[in-house]
Amino acid sequence: DAGVIQSPRHEVTEMGQEVTLRCKPISGHDYLFWYRQTMMRGLELLIYFNNNVPIDDSGMPEDRFSAKMPNASFSTLKIQPSEPRDSAVYFCASRQEHVSEQYFGPGTRLTVT
Amino acid sequence: EDQVTQSPEALRLQEGESSSLNCSYTVSGLRGLFWYRQDPGKGPEFLFTLYSAGEEKEKERLKATLTKKESFLHITAPKPEDSATYLCAVQVTGGSYIPTFGRGTSLIVHP
Repeated sequence: DAGVIQSPRHEVTEMGQEVTLRCKPISGHDYLFWYRQTMMRGLELLIYFNNNVPIDDSGMPEDRFSAKMPNASFSTLKIQPSEPRDSAVYFCASRQEHVSEQYFGPGTRLTVT
Repeated sequence: EDQVTQSPEALRLQEGESSSLNCSYTVSGLRGLFWYRQDPGKGPEFLFTLYSAGEEKEKERLKATLTKKESFLHITAPKPEDSATYLCAVQVTGGSYIPTFGRGTSLIVHP
């Protein structure tokens, strides 16, 4: 398997623009997680899905953030409108049911100017 | 509130100089403790899972140990390629089994 795939790897956008981050989890994994990592706050869980259903979105900072998982092989994280404070590295991770370890993608480095 | 604290924040070693990284935790009940390695520009990579006090896991120059309050990641005779950020995460019982991550220890090993 190719591992967790994320795109784009880098995104630079202007404040107010819509940003969409994409993730393809490892085939057969039942859980998908979206994290944000910054120097100030470390690695923060934003939302996670189980069998394509959002289970806990309490980490989503505000209504500007939304996430979807239309099928088992694809998820998106959307920020609309984007703000400079959203600049961070966003990771997607997946894991199997009854297995604790998560497998992370390479991340998307987002810069909002 | 569940807490995970890693120390030190940063560590510089000479090649061959053994040392340990610490992960202390305060949780209602521990289901599992995880160690990840993160290289610059990459996502965290799973290293170990520990479930009970007294358990140890080894991989090459790394050995992870667990007590009821903390975990140590021992690095024996490190090499420059061991340079990375090491993240600790805990998973609590009775909850959603979603891990809480510490802030990490940035390790640099000089040749």
